[in-house]
Amino acid sequence: SQQGEEDPQALSIQEGENATMNCSYKTSINNLQWYRQNSGRGLVHLILIRSNEREKHSGRLRVTLDTSKKSSSLLITASRAADTASYFCATINNAGNMLTFGGGTRLMVKP
Amino acid sequence: GAVVSQHPSRVICKSGTSVKIECRSLDFQATTMFWYRQFPKQSLMLMATSNEGSKATYEQGVEKDKFLINHASLTLSTLTVTSAHPEDSSFYICSARDIGRSTDTQYFGPGTRLTVL
Repeated sequence: SQQGEEDPQALSIQEGENATMNCSYKTSINNLQWYRQNSGRGLVHLILIRSNEREKHSGRLRVTLDTSKKSSSLLITASRAADTASYFCATINNAGNMLTFGGGTRLMVKP
Repeated sequence: GAVVSQHPSRVICKSGTSVKIECRSLDFQATTMFWYRQFPKQSLMLMATSNEGSKATYEQGVEKDKFLINHASLTLSTLTVTSAHPEDSSFYICSARDIGRSTDTQYFGPGTRLTVL
């Protein structure tokens, strides 16, 4: 079953702007991961944040995790047209090791 | 490293036929592979967990007799959609977990687009 909800479902911005996507989940987690999917392609792992971490950076990506609110955000700074894709959060809970995906945010970056 | 391939990338078949999709880990061994289905503009839904040498574990609502999974080796899992119907048209994605790494690490294949006429 799908655990997470993401908002917004779709986001359109201009190149150079920042893009923020949010993800909420329902159960306790071991970690939360963000993935990117280009149209009709497989998933690319972007970043993993563990339940005992609050913030993590990787290049232009910044991820935060608030376990008290069961939510995470992904910030892409200085966006580029090549960032156009769907972004999914996925969680692994403490009981298992299966990824459960959120609904995804479709990001369009206009040149 | 950590590449997962899927074959075929696209398949079109007639209603009632069976289609086999292969998922291979090319440079690592995977005792566990996962099969997902994704409908247009929707998220990935886990269908089943495939374990090498044992029966697959299916998620609720997924018919195990319709979606046959075989994980005969540490590098190959197959998903066979039996007696396919138009409603089975979807994007099927597999992922594999590297037994030499953390259980948190999964690598995804590029997906297989199935169209049933």
